Amino acid sequence: ETGVTQSPTHLIKTRGQQVTLRCSSQSGHNTVSWYQQALGQGPQFIFQYYREEENGRGNFPPRFSGLQFPNYSSELNVNALELDDSALYLCASRFGTSGGGYTFGSGTRLTVV
Amino acid sequence: AQTVTQSQPEMSVQEAETVTLSCTYDTSENNYYLFWYKQPPSRQMILVIRQEAYKQQNATENRFSVNFQKAAKSFSLKISDSQLGDTAMYFCAFLNYGGSQGNLIFGKGTKLSVKP
Repeated sequence: ETGVTQSPTHLIKTRGQQVTLRCSSQSGHNTVSWYQQALGQGPQFIFQYYREEENGRGNFPPRFSGLQFPNYSSELNVNALELDDSALYLCASRFGTSGGGYTFGSGTRLTVV
Repeated sequence: AQTVTQSQPEMSVQEAETVTLSCTYDTSENNYYLFWYKQPPSRQMILVIRQEAYKQQNATENRFSVNFQKAAKSFSLKISDSQLGDTAMYFCAFLNYGGSQGNLIFGKGTKLSVKP
């Protein structure tokens, strides 16, 4: 097992800019989810991909979008950054329909100034 | 919609003692999973323990055990023989059972401090 790797670890962007966060999932994990964790809060579900198609979405606007690739990597894209987008973004993966829980990465800390 | 509530924002315990973290949830589903995750300052969410709702037996992982009360929709975590390394944020989470869909729903967390 190689775990879940996220890059970059920290990022500072200016309001209005666009950002792409990357995640390399554990081999064989064909389900990947992205979460936003504001300071002092629990993670909030952004969206989920299963076999490269989005199959679930939380209460986030369309400027939050994503992709999942055949090599188990994925991206989270955020357009028109707002100050409130400052948060820790977590990627989590699992194998298909298993209920074994998700494996999380260490996250990307995004600061919007 | 499912919700998860952790009513204890912060707790502290002396090293080697036992502490219990509370979690309640609300759902109309009958089959689901419940989890406790630990988030140390390194930020990575680490799975502590998992409970399948259809199992009556409470899950146990070494020093960690749960008290799962399905009718009361309660899912508490007991940490025995607390160690300094247990200091972290603890999140209770809910996951619908089955299918490729379903996402984790987290509580707001409990900050646990283990004191020497």
